[in-house]
Amino acid sequence: AQSVSQHNHHVILSEAASLELGCNYSYGGTVNLFWYVQYPGQHLQLLLKYFSGDPLVKGIKGFEAEFIKSKFSFNLRKPSVQWSDTAEYFCAVNAGNAGNMLTFGGGTRLMVKP
Amino acid sequence: EPEVTQTPSHQVTQMGQEVILRCVPISNHLYFYWYRQILGQKVEFLVSFYNNEISEKSEIFDDQFSVERPDGSNFTLKIRSTKLEDSAMYFCASNTGGIEKLFFGSGTQLSVL
Repeated sequence: AQSVSQHNHHVILSEAASLELGCNYSYGGTVNLFWYVQYPGQHLQLLLKYFSGDPLVKGIKGFEAEFIKSKFSFNLRKPSVQWSDTAEYFCAVNAGNAGNMLTFGGGTRLMVKP
Repeated sequence: EPEVTQTPSHQVTQMGQEVILRCVPISNHLYFYWYRQILGQKVEFLVSFYNNEISEKSEIFDDQFSVERPDGSNFTLKIRSTKLEDSAMYFCASNTGGIEKLFFGSGTQLSVL
């Protein structure tokens, strides 16, 4: 079965700092990759997704992620974070043989200090 | 943007009691899901539902769990006899199909005492 690892559980940054959140998955076949965000008190929202094509994917709110197949990674980046980016970020994978099921990573709590 | 709504936002129940969590998916969506997140742990898939039947379920979704679409709008998760370890945030989600964008509800925090 596939698994997803997010190695950073908590990240604290100052505004304008650059962000990179790691995500690694274990599955050797075709995957679809997602980053979801959960702002305090709100529901999970899709930030971006990768299905195929250009491995550098741009999402909402200035976020991007790069799929590196050889490293089984899909790291999330943002060049300059804002206080409003304070949230929990979840990487998720849909493996080609898993139907519609998403497997989530453990999440990374990001706190941006003003 | 359309929303998935879940009620109640917080439910407290006694161990051994039955509980029903309710969800109203987005109206033109065809696929419905339940996920849960135990405090401090990962979001875990429970079940997916399409065309009035379960299409996939995880090992967590045992005989204590059932899902139903009792009418054209609601999608419910029933836990027949709750256990302490069922305490979690339960998320409902829906989409138009495949692994396209999932729309999640805000969750129901279930506390089993």
